[in-house]
Parts: sequence; structure tokens; C-alpha cells
Amino acid sequence: GAGVSQSPSNKVTEKGKDVELRCDPISGHTALYWYRQSLGQGLEFLIYFQGNSAPDKSGLPSDRFSAERTGGSVSTLTIQRTQQEDSAVYLCASRRTSGIFNEQFFGPGTRLTVL
Amino acid sequence: TQLLEQSPQFLSIQEGENLTVYCNSSSVFSSLQWYRQEPGEGPVLLVTVVTGGEVKKLKRLTFQFGDARKDSSLHITAAQTGDTGLYLCAGAHSSNTGKLIFGQGTTLQVKP
Repeated sequence: GAGVSQSPSNKVTEKGKDVELRCDPISGHTALYWYRQSLGQGLEFLIYFQGNSAPDKSGLPSDRFSAERTGGSVSTLTIQRTQQEDSAVYLCASRRTSGIFNEQFFGPGTRLTVL
Repeated sequence: TQLLEQSPQFLSIQEGENLTVYCNSSSVFSSLQWYRQEPGEGPVLLVTVVTGGEVKKLKRLTFQFGDARKDSSLHITAAQTGDTGLYLCAGAHSSNTGKLIFGQGTTLQVKP
């Protein structure tokens, strides 16, 4: 079956512009996560959606970052007034919540470059 | 801050050598996972360990979860060039939320 897809794969923008990053999770997965990864580094948790529950936004670095998940499926991560330090790869993952193991399936990421 | 310290951050070895990557924390995790990531792709899950002292083997890879569930190691025997990549450990405090805390990663380069 299809995996997690993300678009665009690459985004170059100018400082101060807004950007939207899209994630299409695996069909039937009720949990969705956004992470940020700096070059060659580990992943930094940003936000987590689970079904109709209020999202866990505890990882968002500033109020310029927001995310929504429409209809329990597709998610959009929005960064307003982008800064150069926002440059990173933004990864989305989804998870089927049944079962005891915590397996997340990752998309290929969106590489964001802020000039 | 709940951190996972991963070491070494970079490792360059010859094909056929053995290596070990470590992942340490002061926190107890309900489960710990190891991922491998190749350039331009998302991380791919290698293994999940949930029981203190647990050892899992995946071909030439051996994963161990510490008795206190605060640390883990990944050992690769007779490394091959195909093992080259970024290895990430990630811990979960709750099996319900699935929220993961990642280590900084270990970049492994296996030379022919």
C-alpha cells in the first residue's frame, strides 16, 4: 500500500514569507506527527494529532508555527514569517494506534530553505 | 529536559569491522526504537525493544535495552558498505501517545 507522502519535496523561500507543508498519512492511521530535522541531526518533535483529540503542540518552537489536520487525514504545517533558522527538513509520520508497539511510518520529508 | 544522548556522532570504519552505537538517558522509557535513515528519505524502523535487558537480533545487527530501560546499544558485526547511513535511537515515555524523543544520530560510513 501507499506510504506517507509529503509535498513539496523541496521549498525555497525568502525570509518573511509564509510557507505551507503538506502531509498525506497512510490510510487508516489515526495518529500523525510532525518533526523537524537539522542537517545530519536527530529529529525534533513539533506536534501530534490523535483522532479528534486536541493536538499536542508542545514541540512547536514559536507561535509562527501552526498545524491542522482536516477530516482526520491530511495535515498542513504552516510557518509564518519564515526565518533563516527555520531551514531544515520537516518530516511527517503516521501511526496505527492499535497494538502495543509504537511504530511510526515516516514520509520522505520536505526540505525547507529560507534565504 | 528529556534527552537521549547518542554516541559516537560519526563513525568511519572499514568493511568487515564491528561497531557499537550507544544511546543513553537519565529517563526511563516505556519502549525504545532504532531507525536507519538514508539521504533524502525518512527514517525506517529497525527494531522496537520494550523489556529491560531485552536483546534482539536482526541479521548482523544486535540491539540491547538496558535493565533499567534508560539506555540501549546497537552492535553491527562485520559491517558492509550497505550499512552506511544515519542511525537514530528514539524513546517513548508513553505507548499511548507515541510521542518519540530522538537522539542526535550516528552517521556511519563503511568504506570498501
